[in-house]
Amino acid sequence: AQTVTQSQPEMSVQEAETVTLSCTYDTSESDYYLFWYKQPPSRQMILVIRQEAYKQQNATENRFSVNFQKAAKSFSLKISDSQLGDAAMYFCAYGETSGSRLTFGEGTQLTVNP
Amino acid sequence: AAGVIQSPRHLIKEKRETATLKCYPIPRHDTVYWYQQGPGQDPQFLISFYEKMQSDKGSIPDRFSAQQFSDYHSELNMSSLELGDSALYFCASSFGGGPEGEQYFGPGTRLTVT
Repeated sequence: AQTVTQSQPEMSVQEAETVTLSCTYDTSESDYYLFWYKQPPSRQMILVIRQEAYKQQNATENRFSVNFQKAAKSFSLKISDSQLGDAAMYFCAYGETSGSRLTFGEGTQLTVNP
Repeated sequence: AAGVIQSPRHLIKEKRETATLKCYPIPRHDTVYWYQQGPGQDPQFLISFYEKMQSDKGSIPDRFSAQQFSDYHSELNMSSLELGDSALYFCASSFGGGPEGEQYFGPGTRLTVT
């Protein structure tokens, strides 16, 4: 079974600074999807960014970018110019195929200090 | 843009009672997923449906059942409720035939069992 590990239960960053959240996963598949979801205090699950494993180029979405290292099975999220609204729980998730279940990591609670 | 709708948003039940959670996917989405998130936990996959047929099954108790109807909405039925069933229940939807693998989450139903 696939597993997703987030080794940082908590992280903090100063407003306007950059922070990187780590995620590793285990799979025997060669093609799959990886996601970062944000869960603010409202508990809504919000998709931040996604990466298809067959794409070598790292995904970017405005201030959010990933460092996808397929051989190392690593998928980190970099948040640039951190804003107070970025404070949330961040979950890394793995999906084997389009339409398959998501397996989540344990989450990283991000605090943004003014 | 239309989002996933879940009802009710909050539900309080007593032990051994029955609960029904409803999910209305984004229009034209044909796949529905159910996840359970316990306090301080990551979301755990329960079950999914594609074109009204069960497509995958996770760690869903036998006391729970679900189905997807002809209009693509889905219902999660939970019987003989236990204190441990208290959690946030998410429904997500996706367009199963799409390549992106993205799942869009509803706001969740918070179930409290007393």
